[in-house]
This record gives sequence, structure tokens and C-alpha cells, in this order.
Amino acid sequence: DAGITQSPRYKITETGRQVTLMCHQTWSHSYMFWYRQDLGHGLRLIYYSAAADITDKGEVSDGYVVSRSKTENFPLTLESATRSQTSVYFCASSETSGGGTQYFGPGTRLLVL
Amino acid sequence: AQKVTQAQTEISVVEKEDVTLDCVYETRDTTYYLFWYKQPPSGELVFLIRRNSFDEQNEISGRYSWNFQKSTSSFNFTITASQVVDSAVYFCALSEEGYSSASKIIFGSGTRLSIRP
Repeated sequence: DAGITQSPRYKITETGRQVTLMCHQTWSHSYMFWYRQDLGHGLRLIYYSAAADITDKGEVSDGYVVSRSKTENFPLTLESATRSQTSVYFCASSETSGGGTQYFGPGTRLLVL
Repeated sequence: AQKVTQAQTEISVVEKEDVTLDCVYETRDTTYYLFWYKQPPSGELVFLIRRNSFDEQNEISGRYSWNFQKSTSSFNFTITASQVVDSAVYFCALSEEGYSSASKIIFGSGTRLSIRP
């Protein structure tokens, strides 16, 4: 089915390990985003991408790395996971910039022990 | 700087009551977009509405309605005759057109709505 998917849906890891969260969309949207959702903070932007090979930092990018070699994929890597990165991570995509509607994936719940 | 404030952290009403969720925003841009998303207990984020800054016409979709007032920088959401299935966290969000590379959205902190049977 067309849409935006994330994997894994749940992940438990240990402090210091590298973790990669996957995001895949079938709409061929140019713009993709990663957010984290924490109690009391709503959703905060980690990274975004305007097209393949074009990425930029959001407000909470420290400790995260992204890549976008293909339009449909936008993986997020935690280089050395910390407990403060325990969160729910949402990927989103948008067809246009300038206020385009963002459609969200189902989220990945990450627990860092 | 852009900011979205949802002052109501939690609201609880009895089924069939009407309820309004408040959203106040700040922006320096003249062109911007406002959104509402719903996050049910299952956790996904569901898009409800998008409104651009040049369209102040109120919108109604079934039991849902939205009141956009630029004079008070508000974009309030009303559910009429609420139902238990409306229980969710609702997020208001703002996007400015000024960014050249992507339409970054700033979210409010959300309002948790509980509808009691």
C-alpha cells in the first residue's frame, strides 16, 4: 500500500550503541522530516530533507545523523545512543515546501537503557 | 520567531457536549499555514486541516469546525456533540513560507481531550 512506513516500530537498545531508524515513503514526496515526541515538548524537529542528498538540521539535531541517497528513504541514525534519546520518533513527508501538509508515519518507540 | 501555544493541557467533557480547543500562534510572516493534527491513543498522527493565512473563512467538516481569526492570532478547533472516539491529543501547528528548503512545522504542546461516556 502507498504511504509512509517506519521500522522498527519498537526498539530497545543500550547506551552507547548505534541505532538506525528507517523511514520509507511511496508518494515520491520531495520533503521528508524526522521528529521526536516527548512528554511536555510536543513534537520537535530533528532533521529535514528537501530532496535526495539535501539535508539540514532542526532544533534538536545533536547526536543524530541522517542521509538521503534515494528520494523514498530517509534513515535516522543515533550514533551513540543516550538515555535522553528515549522517545517516540516520527517520520513525515510533504509534497511541497512553503506550508505543504506533512503526513506522518506510525512512529518508532525507542527505549535506551 | 514562530510559536504555537495550546494553553489547555487537558480537557475532559461528557459525551455529546461541545468542546473548543484553543490555539494561539506567533509569526512575523504574512504568509503562513496553520494545521491541526489528531493523535489517538494508538499513537499515529492524523492530519485534520490546513489553512493558509489569506483564507479566514471558517471551515466545517461534519462535527468539526475551525475558527481562524488573524486579529487575535488564533485558530481554534471545535468539536460539536463530542463522542468517545474523539478522545485523543490534538496538536495545532504553524508553518511559515519563508524557509527556502522545506516547510518546517512548529507544533504546539498539544491538548489531551477525554470524552467521558
